[in-house]
Amino acid sequence: NAGVMQNPRHLVRRRGQEARLRCSPMKGHSHVYWYRQLPEEGLKFMVYLQKENIIDESGMPKERFSAEFPKEGPSILRIQQVVRGDSAAYFCASSLGLANTDTQYFGPGTRLTVL
Amino acid sequence: AQKVTQAQTEISVVEKEDVTLDCVYETRDTTYYLFWYKQPPSGELVFLIRRNSFDEQNEISGRYSWNFQKSTSSFNFTITASQVVDSAVYFCALTKPQTGANNLFFGTGTRLTVIP
Repeated sequence: NAGVMQNPRHLVRRRGQEARLRCSPMKGHSHVYWYRQLPEEGLKFMVYLQKENIIDESGMPKERFSAEFPKEGPSILRIQQVVRGDSAAYFCASSLGLANTDTQYFGPGTRLTVL
Repeated sequence: AQKVTQAQTEISVVEKEDVTLDCVYETRDTTYYLFWYKQPPSGELVFLIRRNSFDEQNEISGRYSWNFQKSTSSFNFTITASQVVDSAVYFCALTKPQTGANNLFFGTGTRLTVIP
């Protein structure tokens, strides 16, 4: 499967727990983006990472949210002490990172439900 | 600032009708990229097209066509002879090419329902 992989596809957490969302980019892609889609809304940019570097986290809440893209392994979006308002679909996209003009390809998303 | 407006929240058409989805964008940049993505009921996002701001040629791909007009800041998407499988939410998006900041700005989407 050469596409962007995300897991889990569905995640249920109780308020106060931690959520970890994983994203494996397409083969050959070194740039990863995370977006959040609230119910009935468009996608909102959260964070942009390259291997071992956060390039732009301007869309990510300052508290409880963090992201990483280690040298080895998938990118992780981590949400600590989840609240009901975190319930959303979280999409990861990857790209080749060529001269700022390349196309982002999206994974299937992780649907997070906070009880 | 970048902004994408998809004024049509929901559209319903009968199978085999043509349908146009509108997209209007705002940007101060002279160089930018526009995209359309499809989100079927299964939830994933499928890339449909990318268009750069210097290329105003319309594009056709099978039953899909795109009309890019810089004069009106619009990038409309037409589906000809719609089919039930076209039922989905369609998102228009804009990116500003800038070192270290090429995230996508999405519109709120248009939900298309094709009735058999």
